[in-house]
Amino acid sequence: SQQGEEDPQALSIQEGENATMNCSYKTSINNLQWYRQNSGRGLVHLILIRSNEREKHSGRLRVTLDTSKKSSSLLITASRAADTASYFCATPSGTGFQKLVFGTGTRLLVSP
Amino acid sequence: DTGVSQDPRHKITKRGQNVTFRCDPISEHNRLYWYRQTLGQGPEFLTYFQNEAQLEKSRLLSDRFSAERPKGSFSTLEIQRTEQGDSAMYLCASSTRRGQGNEKLFFGSGTQLSVL
Repeated sequence: SQQGEEDPQALSIQEGENATMNCSYKTSINNLQWYRQNSGRGLVHLILIRSNEREKHSGRLRVTLDTSKKSSSLLITASRAADTASYFCATPSGTGFQKLVFGTGTRLLVSP
Repeated sequence: DTGVSQDPRHKITKRGQNVTFRCDPISEHNRLYWYRQTLGQGPEFLTYFQNEAQLEKSRLLSDRFSAERPKGSFSTLEIQRTEQGDSAMYLCASSTRRGQGNEKLFFGSGTQLSVL
């Protein structure tokens, strides 16, 4: 089952614009991760934010986490055509090991 | 760090045939995961190994599915008597424990299975 729901399902923007994706999840977590997936490829880890953090930056990425609302957002600033991909949030589920439960993803298209 | 390697990249098979996929994790990673991803969906957890021990299996993993990780190195996922509903991307990931509940997964490029 999917833990997270991303919103929007699809997003189309021009190069240079910012892209914002949102993720909602259902259960209490100790961290939330974002991954990117290029078409037909595996997933690549982008950023991890812990439950005691509210915001985190990595290059052109900014992630926020609101545990009271069980939601997170991923902002990509000054987007490039190479950012075209699907983006997934993932939260741990289970005990004793890091089984990740992925959301349904946001498909981002950045046009030149 | 050579990354997670999966073989084959693509597999086309006829319904009822058996298929086997291989995953070679990053060498120092003791944790290995199999996920399945269908079109337009996020990956769904199938099973998890810590070293050679298979510690959890999803209900998605029917009796036709079996996974092994002999000697705690590479892993294989076998599907017997394939069905059209098995068509999906099968992703392998590995990780190493860095801290309590805080670890990222390194994914392979996946094996795309098509059952005709």
